[in-house]
Amino acid sequence: ETGVTQTPRHLVMGMTNKKSLKCEQHLGHNAMYWYKQSAKKPLELMFVYNFKEQTENNSVPSRFSPECPNSSHLFLHLHTLQPEDSALYLCASSQDRLAGDHRAITDTQYFGPGTRLTVL
Amino acid sequence: RKEVEQDPGPFNVPEGATVAFNCTYSNSASQSFFWYRQDCRKEPKLLMSVYSSGNEDGRFTAQLNRASQYISLLIRDSKLSDSATYLCVVTPYSNTGNQFYFGTGTSLTVIP
Repeated sequence: ETGVTQTPRHLVMGMTNKKSLKCEQHLGHNAMYWYKQSAKKPLELMFVYNFKEQTENNSVPSRFSPECPNSSHLFLHLHTLQPEDSALYLCASSQDRLAGDHRAITDTQYFGPGTRLTVL
Repeated sequence: RKEVEQDPGPFNVPEGATVAFNCTYSNSASQSFFWYRQDCRKEPKLLMSVYSSGNEDGRFTAQLNRASQYISLLIRDSKLSDSATYLCVVTPYSNTGNQFYFGTGTSLTVIP
């Protein structure tokens, strides 16, 4: 149950604050992700890091800034957020493998417990 | 059109009932399929992968129909502990392999 950890679990911040979310995976995986989960909406992929390189950035506003210093750690730096950014932020990790045609395959993602963020 | 669509429910069923969820996906080149389970205020957890030939894990059976682009999850002999939201997940065939598309989830409540 502690394969992927996230801190803090809860965060309340004002629109002018700067804060960071932290994720750590203990599974030896090579890919890490940030997702946003809002009420009544599907999980939205925000960022993907594969082998520490950012491979996906799904049109996320610049007030969200990811950082991946190594394959085990992932940060999400927050600044000047809006109330509509209030949501559950989930980190996940996976072990990618290569198919015969050299395309990457992601089998399973393991999620952390999430940070519930409230922006006032 | 959404990548993945699910009936949000809620499904309220008595203990011991059989319940089935369907999920449709829009990309015919989708590669991998999963069902995840998410308990209230918790993170999603993998329930089972869905294989082309269909697969079973205890009371849970998953089916894939590529021609009609849907996957299904059947739960037999429902338990109170099955109450959760069930998320359908589809991955496209891509160079990076990292894009997971989640449905909004189907809510299940098993009633004593």
